[in-house]
Amino acid sequence: GAGVSQSPSNKVTEKGKDVELRCDPISGHTALYWYRQSLGQGLEFLIYFQGNSAPDKSGLPSDRFSAERTGGSVSTLTIQRTQQEDSAVYLCASTFSTGGGYTFGSGTRLTVV
Amino acid sequence: QQQVKQSPQSLIVQKGGISIINCAYENTAFDYFPWYQQFPGKGPALLIAIRPDVSEKKEGRFTISFNKSAKQFSLHIMDSQPGDSATYFCAASIINFNKFYFGSGTKLNVKP
Repeated sequence: GAGVSQSPSNKVTEKGKDVELRCDPISGHTALYWYRQSLGQGLEFLIYFQGNSAPDKSGLPSDRFSAERTGGSVSTLTIQRTQQEDSAVYLCASTFSTGGGYTFGSGTRLTVV
Repeated sequence: QQQVKQSPQSLIVQKGGISIINCAYENTAFDYFPWYQQFPGKGPALLIAIRPDVSEKKEGRFTISFNKSAKQFSLHIMDSQPGDSATYFCAASIINFNKFYFGSGTKLNVKP
């Protein structure tokens, strides 16, 4: 596709439920990132995939968060047993492995009630 | 520890004025400094970026000034327009590592 696609755009879930957020990066981009943006805050790094290398999971806030990237393309961020503090916009970005600026998707707004 | 500190948190500028947003960083290994612009409901979009081998980069009304010795860089928006009203994020990375550290953002409001 022409840009980074994220789905769903909005998700409301009950506390304790699991959620899956999807990211479809730009074709040919080997690097994929997940960030979290809480209301009025900056971007918090969560996880980074680069080609076939082991992902950099150093930003995941707890073991309730996990992510995978299948076939070097689509990525899914899973949050188990959601808590109210997980409410945020989850942004996905991709780029070529040679660096340069990210291209972000429009994000998934997650609301935990 | 916050790797990139951004100020101000919010900024109000009259149409035609100059908007200035500042960032400071700690890690001297950073070698790529982009600015992102974010409109409500959208993801951040790359606006302009600079490498530390130059002190200034200009693209249209947007200029990055870079001070390597002070470990600071700033975004200047000349002739600010209401359409520039958005949240701006500075960032820094070690380009080969490709992981970005973002500032906390500046919400700019340009008054008509």
